Amino acid sequence: AQSVTQLDSQVPVFEEAPVELRCNYSSSVSVYLFWYVQYPNQGLQLLLKYLSGSTLVESINGFEAEFNKSQTSFHLRKPSVHISDTAEYFCAVSLNTGNQFYFGTGTSLTVIP
Amino acid sequence: EAQVTQNPRYLITVTGKKLTVTCSQNMNHEYMSWYRQDPGLGLRQIYYSMNVEVTDKGDVPEGYKVSRKEKRNFPLILESPSPNQTSLYFCASSLWGTYNSPLHFGNGTRLTVT
Repeated sequence: AQSVTQLDSQVPVFEEAPVELRCNYSSSVSVYLFWYVQYPNQGLQLLLKYLSGSTLVESINGFEAEFNKSQTSFHLRKPSVHISDTAEYFCAVSLNTGNQFYFGTGTSLTVIP
Repeated sequence: EAQVTQNPRYLITVTGKKLTVTCSQNMNHEYMSWYRQDPGLGLRQIYYSMNVEVTDKGDVPEGYKVSRKEKRNFPLILESPSPNQTSLYFCASSLWGTYNSPLHFGNGTRLTVT
């Protein structure tokens, strides 16, 4: 069975501090990995994705995530957060043998001024 | 503008009264899906559709129906809603399925069943 675990349900962090949101998955087949962000009263938006190639992927707003196959992880990082980064973040996995996404339970990031 | 449109945004109803939440996409996507979002549980897939007239159950299909008669539309039907279906619902679409094709989400429908 596939599962996605986001270890932290809430992460408070001060503005301009670094942050890491953790994501681990379990799967017996190859996967594609995604991070989505959900701002209040909105749907989810794709933040970044890993499909193949370089294990470090970046978004346009300064986030990055690294695929670690041996640790089955895809942690999301940002070296310096802004107030506008306050949102819910979801890690998701898609298998190369199926037609479903599997989402983690989400991490609520709150940036404190 | 490319988008997934859900209606209504908010819905309050009573137990047993049939309702439909509409979903439409203008991106000519093959794949469409419905999710429910509940605190502490994240997003769970209800149903998905790979193409017109092709639908499959997700992880939590009980109490829901869907249809895909046209490529752009994928309505979610609750024949007899119950309070445990109170939730935030999202429709999503992607180009040809989920392998390496990210999902595009609607803005959600908050359903309350009393």
